[in-house]
Amino acid sequence: GESVGLHLPTLSVQEGDNSIINCAYSNSASDYFIWYKQESGKGPQFIIDIRSNMDKRQGQRVTVLLNKTVKHLSLQIAATQPGDSAVYFCAENPGANNLFFGTGTRLTVIP
Amino acid sequence: NAGVTQTPKFRILKIGQSMTLQCTQDMNHNYMYWYRQDPGMGLKLIYYSVGAGITDKGEVPNGYNVSRSTTEDFPLRLELAAPSQTSVYFCASSYSGQGSSPLHFGNGTRLTVT
Repeated sequence: GESVGLHLPTLSVQEGDNSIINCAYSNSASDYFIWYKQESGKGPQFIIDIRSNMDKRQGQRVTVLLNKTVKHLSLQIAATQPGDSAVYFCAENPGANNLFFGTGTRLTVIP
Repeated sequence: NAGVTQTPKFRILKIGQSMTLQCTQDMNHNYMYWYRQDPGMGLKLIYYSVGAGITDKGEVPNGYNVSRSTTEDFPLRLELAAPSQTSVYFCASSYSGQGSSPLHFGNGTRLTVT
């Protein structure tokens, strides 16, 4: 299967600071990428997606950056809040009807 | 809209027992999926369906079966439960395929096989 990895398994940030969560993907043919947030006891929740013809996309307090040259994806969360504490997954779609998920990064926001 | 609803939330099975995990969605999505999530691992696709009457295997289909008789429902059947099937199971749906639209997940079924 595909390998979608994360540089850091855990990340702690102060409330109000910006958070950056990184993700490396392995398949240069992947053309669609998604970030999910998963809170304890719940299913993954869609945050933002990006296609390979873009290198940046912004949502509400979140920005996803895609660097196809080094096969790297990042999620930036502005003014991190306690409610942002969760596990964040990136996923890539290299074609066909399957997404490959990373193992996740646990974000902890310190009040 | 309730979104994707899974039942039960928790279940304990003995080895060799069988059960059906229920999943229903009210978003009129054609595409539905079953994933399992093991501790410290990413989600793995078990089965998926692109519409009523059509199902296909994902990455880890062994030991499971599915059916899709309606757009709304996509049950997952475990026959002869084994300890390796201890996991959290997530059902998801999407408007179009995984390469073009995000998945909407249910809150999961935590299954323990002892």
